[in-house]
Amino acid sequence: AQTVTQSQPEMSVQEAETVTLSCTYDTSENNYYLFWYKQPPSRQMILVIRQEAYKQQNATENRFSVNFQKAAKSFSLKISDSQLGDTAMYFCAFRVVQGAQKLVFGQGTRLTINP
Amino acid sequence: NAGVTQTPKFQVLKTGQSMTLQCAQDMNHEYMSWYRQDPGMGLRLIHYSVGAGITDQGEVPNGYNVSRSTTEDFPLRLLSAAPSQTSVYFCASSYSQSSGANVLTFGAGSRLTVL
Repeated sequence: AQTVTQSQPEMSVQEAETVTLSCTYDTSENNYYLFWYKQPPSRQMILVIRQEAYKQQNATENRFSVNFQKAAKSFSLKISDSQLGDTAMYFCAFRVVQGAQKLVFGQGTRLTINP
Repeated sequence: NAGVTQTPKFQVLKTGQSMTLQCAQDMNHEYMSWYRQDPGMGLRLIHYSVGAGITDQGEVPNGYNVSRSTTEDFPLRLLSAAPSQTSVYFCASSYSQSSGANVLTFGAGSRLTVL
């Protein structure tokens, strides 16, 4: 069975700073996808970024980037030039390539950006 | 496009009552699923469906029932509500498996309180 662990329940940084959220996972699969989802106070789940395990290059989306370390089973999210609108819960998620689209989520990290 | 529509957004039940959370999508997605979100536990998969007439259990299926009579709809039934089912419920859908990193589209969530 796959597990996803987010060891930081809460984090807080000042606006414009860079922050890194940690995520580790456990799987015996070789082909899989990793995701970061954002959940603002509105409760809506919003995809931030995704990484395909067979791609060595780290994914980037504007101010968001990941550090994917396959051997270490680590998938951290870096937010550069943080903005007040980045305040949210962030969830790391995993799913295997084959089979149904079942996501396994981590426990979440509550990120607060302070003005 | 409406995307994934969940109703109701809020519901309060008494122990032992039954109810149905509705989920509808207009994107012709084959895959639909239900998650529950509890503090400190992330999102956990309850049931999922890979197409009309096909359903399967996820990680926490006990106390819940689903059916998939059409591609568009995937209702979640609580047969006899218990306080342990107090949670926020999310419906999510996507195109079916294996064609790239298909991304789940989430509904806005339904907050259920069982007294």
